[in-house]
Amino acid sequence: DIQMTQFPSTLSASVGDRVTITCRASQTIYSWLAWYQQHAGRAPKVLISKASSLESGVPSRFSGSGSGTEYTLTINSLQPDDFAIYYCQQYSAYPRSFGQGTKVEIK
Amino acid sequence: QVNLKESGPALVKPTETLTVTCTVSGYSLNNTKMGVSWIRQPPGKALEWLAHLFSNDERSYSTSLENRLTISKDTSKSQVILILTNVDPTDTATYFCARSRGGGLFDPWGQGTLVTVSS
Repeated sequence: DIQMTQFPSTLSASVGDRVTITCRASQTIYSWLAWYQQHAGRAPKVLISKASSLESGVPSRFSGSGSGTEYTLTINSLQPDDFAIYYCQQYSAYPRSFGQGTKVEIK
Repeated sequence: QVNLKESGPALVKPTETLTVTCTVSGYSLNNTKMGVSWIRQPPGKALEWLAHLFSNDERSYSTSLENRLTISKDTSKSQVILILTNVDPTDTATYFCARSRGGGLFDPWGQGTLVTVSS
């Protein structure tokens, strides 16, 4: 099974900051990685697919990069609605797996 | 537009069997591109993928739970059903269903249904 390690677990930032979240896979996942945003009490929403493709309707301040086993999600100029929990998910192989999540909180 | 909605019991007793249902609208479960996964999230914890039903009826399960899980579908009702046997309090979670697209990412998701395991 592919294990996804995501860090940091918590990130404190201010509106306007640039933040980066990292996700590391236990083996190569060939960029088959998605990033999700989850607000409290809501279902996750996909932001990025195939490691770096911005999903339709997602603001351009979100970007993804990486290859092989290491991937990052960057949020430029953090906005109030961006304070949420972010998850990575690999879809290179079954069973599918998620990272442990990164909570982006207001500093 | 694809829509998914979960339903199930709010409370289940330890050792009992949990059955949750995902009702899909806007897309046929017979469609070759229509695969559905179940994912759960214990309160305050991370997402955990549980099972996937492919359009050709093949299945894939979480390694740690595969001996307790069964996923199936009722095409006439446009439903995907997840059964989890012998539950205990650690199975307390919000259970989500989601369509798999683009090779395996999940979109859209249902709203989730909270199931509590307690005596």
